[in-house]
Amino acid sequence: GAVVSQHPSRVICKSGTSVKIECRSLDFQATTMFWYRQFPKQSLMLMATSNEGSKATYEQGVEKDKFLINHASLTLSTLTVTSAHPEDSSFYICSARILDVDSPLHFGNGTRLTVT
Amino acid sequence: KNQVEQSPQSLIILEGKNCTLQCNYTVSPFSNLRWYKQDTGRGPVSLTIMTFSENTKSNGRYTATLDADTKQSSLHITASQLSDSASYICVVSLPESNDYKLSFGAGTTVTVRA
Repeated sequence: GAVVSQHPSRVICKSGTSVKIECRSLDFQATTMFWYRQFPKQSLMLMATSNEGSKATYEQGVEKDKFLINHASLTLSTLTVTSAHPEDSSFYICSARILDVDSPLHFGNGTRLTVT
Repeated sequence: KNQVEQSPQSLIILEGKNCTLQCNYTVSPFSNLRWYKQDTGRGPVSLTIMTFSENTKSNGRYTATLDADTKQSSLHITASQLSDSASYICVVSLPESNDYKLSFGAGTTVTVRA
């Protein structure tokens, strides 16, 4: 079945540094990938839609200069949390859809970011 | 107010027992409604997908139902196993006019005990 690989699974960084999270579609091409953020016991919140070869579409309230998204190929999207602060600590998850909007989303296993 | 509300927030059941999770939504019509299972510290995995016109869909011991009149969906877990312990998330896909955006419920955390 389709697999979305997300790396790293956990990262601890110091306040002020930047962290890059990778999301790869392993056996299919994903023209669109999605990035979510999830706080404990809460819903996944869509941060942005990553489109291959073009700029990402950010949801309202998400700072595009803080959360840099690059979708340079059909199998790779990256999310960079710039100048991270403790409040950025969260669970970040990416997903991709293979075909049409009625096909399931395939999620990565998430990245637990802790900013100290 | 969230467009997708799930209940209960959490529940504990004994291994082998059945349980039913509820999802109430305000979005109508929608493109599809999905149930996902999310293990702790992992990404969600799709269990079922139903279109607006479907009213039931099964995947092994998981059965999802949909009542478009009452705007409710339920996920029934039969003969629960320890591995069923997870968060179950109801997700509604908005129609084309809303760019098929997804609206997520907060999830129900199920704990299965031996």
